[in-house]
Amino acid sequence: DIQMTQSPSSLSASVGDRVTITCRASQSISSYLNWYQQKPGKAPKLLIYDAFSLQSGVPSRFSGSGSGTDFTLTISSLQPEDFATYYCQQSYITSALTFGGGTKVDIK
Amino acid sequence: QLQLQESGPGLVKPSETLSLTCTVSGGSISINNYYWGWIRQPPGKGLEWIGSRYYSGSTYYNPSLKSRVTVSVDTSKNQFSLRLNSVTAADTAVYYCARHRFGSGFDYWGQGTLVTVSS
Repeated sequence: DIQMTQSPSSLSASVGDRVTITCRASQSISSYLNWYQQKPGKAPKLLIYDAFSLQSGVPSRFSGSGSGTDFTLTISSLQPEDFATYYCQQSYITSALTFGGGTKVDIK
Repeated sequence: QLQLQESGPGLVKPSETLSLTCTVSGGSISINNYYWGWIRQPPGKGLEWIGSRYYSGSTYYNPSLKSRVTVSVDTSKNQFSLRLNSVTAADTAVYYCARHRFGSGFDYWGQGTLVTVSS
């Protein structure tokens, strides 16, 4: 299986801050990397697919970058509704899809 | 707007079989290039993919669950289902159904249903 490691596991930030979350794959996954946002009691929501493509309806303050083994999710200016947990997921091997452990973003 | 809705028992006894159904509305399950999958999340923990199936039959399962899992599709009802055999307390989780393109992310999700394994 491809292991997905996110860092940090949690962070505290203020409204307006630029936030960066990192995801590292245990082997190259090209650009088969997706990012999700999950709020308490809710299903995850797809933010970014194929490493950098913004899902329809997602604000442009969210962006993704990277390829191979190292990927980044950036929130350019954190908004109150962005406090949530974020997960990365590799879709390189469809027979063994895996998620990262999550990064919880809370209010400083 | 595509909608997915999980249904099934919220309580399952140890060693028995967990069975859930996902009903798809607002679109056809027989759509080309999309898979229908199940993901679970134990309370307070992260996400774990269980398995995915294409409407015409191609199926993939998490290697760690493969011996106990079956995902099936009923195109006549626009539904797909999950069966997980020989459950233990470790299978207690919120179970989500979702859609994804081959090689891409899960773009539509159900709201999730909590299944507790307990006697």
